[in-house]
Amino acid sequence: DQQVKQNSPSLSVQEGRISILNCDYTNSMFDYFLWYKKYPAEGPTFLISISSIKDKNEDGRFTVFLNKSAKHLSLHIVPSQPGDSAVYFCAASGGRDDKIIFGKGTRLHILP
Amino acid sequence: DGGITQSPKYLFRKEGQNVTLSCEQNLNHDAMYWYRQDPGQGLRLIYYSQIVNDFQKGDIAEGYSVSREKKESFPLTVTSAQKNPTAFYLCASSIYSLETQYFGPGTRLLVL
Repeated sequence: DQQVKQNSPSLSVQEGRISILNCDYTNSMFDYFLWYKKYPAEGPTFLISISSIKDKNEDGRFTVFLNKSAKHLSLHIVPSQPGDSAVYFCAASGGRDDKIIFGKGTRLHILP
Repeated sequence: DGGITQSPKYLFRKEGQNVTLSCEQNLNHDAMYWYRQDPGQGLRLIYYSQIVNDFQKGDIAEGYSVSREKKESFPLTVTSAQKNPTAFYLCASSIYSLETQYFGPGTRLLVL
């Protein structure tokens, strides 16, 4: 059973607009959440993370929001740029599991 | 420059052959990981190691083997028992398990 779910396989957003990528999780013991960005044929690169003691973390154009009661987090990219076109993975860790659990990813297309 | 290197970038395997993928890091990280990426499947954990001379199976360990004789190195062997080895293989490391993982550039394995 998937503990980290990214229900949108793909998303298209106009350049300059806001991109919102969503992620849901089922394990209430998760206390650390991460977003990774991946270009084709390359390894994922770490983007931003958030601890469960916070509900928002911002780094430049990237903001991650955490709603613990809904077990939901989102990544906002403002403004979206062509180089943001990539696959974005949500990941979580915590509880008894000693490893990070990844979602299946969302492919973001930034349209000119 | 600190980082994670994987070699080779492309690897071809013949039927019945074992092949070994290299992963080296000079980040002084204790934990190392191997993932496999298939289209639409996200990142699936093959094996991970939290410390030298110790490793655990991930979600899809069958047909793979690893060793962790040195802190810097975590080679993955794809054995002939792995019936569907064609995939993009990613190695990662983190200071400790559950900390942010940093990924190598990946190795694409193709079957001849």
